[in-house]
Amino acid sequence: RKEVEQDPGPFNVPEGATVAFNCTYSNSASQSFFWYRQDCRKEPKLLMSVYSSGNEDGRFTAQLNRASQYISLLIRDSKLSDSATYLCVVNGGATNKLIFGTGTLLAVQP
Amino acid sequence: DAGITQSPRHKVTETGTPVTLRCHQTENHRYMYWYRQDPGHGLRLIHYSYGVKDTDKGEVSDGYSVSRSKTEDFLLTLESATSSQTSVYFCAISESGRGGSPLHFGNGTRLTVT
Repeated sequence: RKEVEQDPGPFNVPEGATVAFNCTYSNSASQSFFWYRQDCRKEPKLLMSVYSSGNEDGRFTAQLNRASQYISLLIRDSKLSDSATYLCVVNGGATNKLIFGTGTLLAVQP
Repeated sequence: DAGITQSPRHKVTETGTPVTLRCHQTENHRYMYWYRQDPGHGLRLIHYSYGVKDTDKGEVSDGYSVSRSKTEDFLLTLESATSSQTSVYFCAISESGRGGSPLHFGNGTRLTVT
């Protein structure tokens, strides 16, 4: 089992739709979780950290479910500019290294 | 955006030649990292540094070496490039190496080994 797993997609959604991605992780000792966004041929950029109580930043909501070992990202009112690959990142517990998922591709259609 | 500059942005080289990629930061962060990104594998850690002259291996370090003689510069060297090292290379920095601190990436170097 991969340490961090994501559905590669693509998720094709119309503008204005709500879309959600999940990411599962294997190490129950993981303590830090992040979502990054990566545009085609660009560097990954931090979208948001994921806190235990869940957190929201505008149209974006991140949740953590420790019991089932997954994090989620919800995007409301999708914009064309949201089209990108979303990377799930988890720290490796005792190793404290950050482990990246392979990403979920989102394509928002006009 | 974090002040991280990678050079060169693009490089084409022949098998067997040495290649050095440079990462320069203006944030005075202690931790610096080199990753490679390949389709189907995501980002994989090559080497990282936790201070001047302090470096350690990541998960895919074979064929690569690094050096950090100044806080702001972290060099990645391919001693004898191979076609399997064709990839996109990203440098990253973080304030803390404890895994709770997010990484900030440079804009990448696209390396092709022919």
